[in-house]
Amino acid sequence: SQQGEEDPQALSIQEGENATMNCSYKTSINNLQWYRQNSGRGLVHLILIRSNEREKHSGRLRVTLDTSKKSSSLLITASRAADTASYFCATVRTGGFKTIFGAGTRLFVKA
Amino acid sequence: DTEVTQTPKHLVMGMTNKKSLKCEQHMGHRAMYWYKQKAKKPPELMFVYSYEKLSINESVPSRFSPECPNSSLLNLHLHALQPEDSALYLCASSSPSAGTQETQYFGPGTRLLVL
Repeated sequence: SQQGEEDPQALSIQEGENATMNCSYKTSINNLQWYRQNSGRGLVHLILIRSNEREKHSGRLRVTLDTSKKSSSLLITASRAADTASYFCATVRTGGFKTIFGAGTRLFVKA
Repeated sequence: DTEVTQTPKHLVMGMTNKKSLKCEQHMGHRAMYWYKQKAKKPPELMFVYSYEKLSINESVPSRFSPECPNSSLLNLHLHALQPEDSALYLCASSSPSAGTQETQYFGPGTRLLVL
């Protein structure tokens, strides 16, 4: 079964607005990661949050993790047109070695 | 050097052809991965090599044959593919530690079209 599921599937916002994406997963995990993918290209790692962390920041990115609800959110503040991409969460089951990606959120930031 | 390179960028092949995809990294990573990604879908894991040994094979059809000749190189040999195998094939590498999965570095992918 799919480990990570994300919502919304697609999000369209104006430049300068904040974008929030959510990810849910089903098993206990070692860590949760967020990746960005520009159209038809490779994935770029954004941020990793470990199972014993609740919140992490990196530049305009803020990630939260709620292990009791098995969910995470990615907030991009002050979005830019260059943030237009697909965003995926990725998890590895505790004790496992296989990364499973969520379905992804397609973000479109209008200039 | 934090780059994973993949060749070729694009590949068109017939169902009777044999071709290979190549991936290279010089970050000293000892785990390397092949993923398949269809349009508007997340990447799906195909194979994982850890210390040059195949550690995960996600029940991929035998027409896909991975090879890890050394710690920097990863190949995916293709033979008798089907049109539904057309996809973006992504290579990634990471530094496994203590059995946990750390950040993966992805290459730009090879876009494969099977006619």
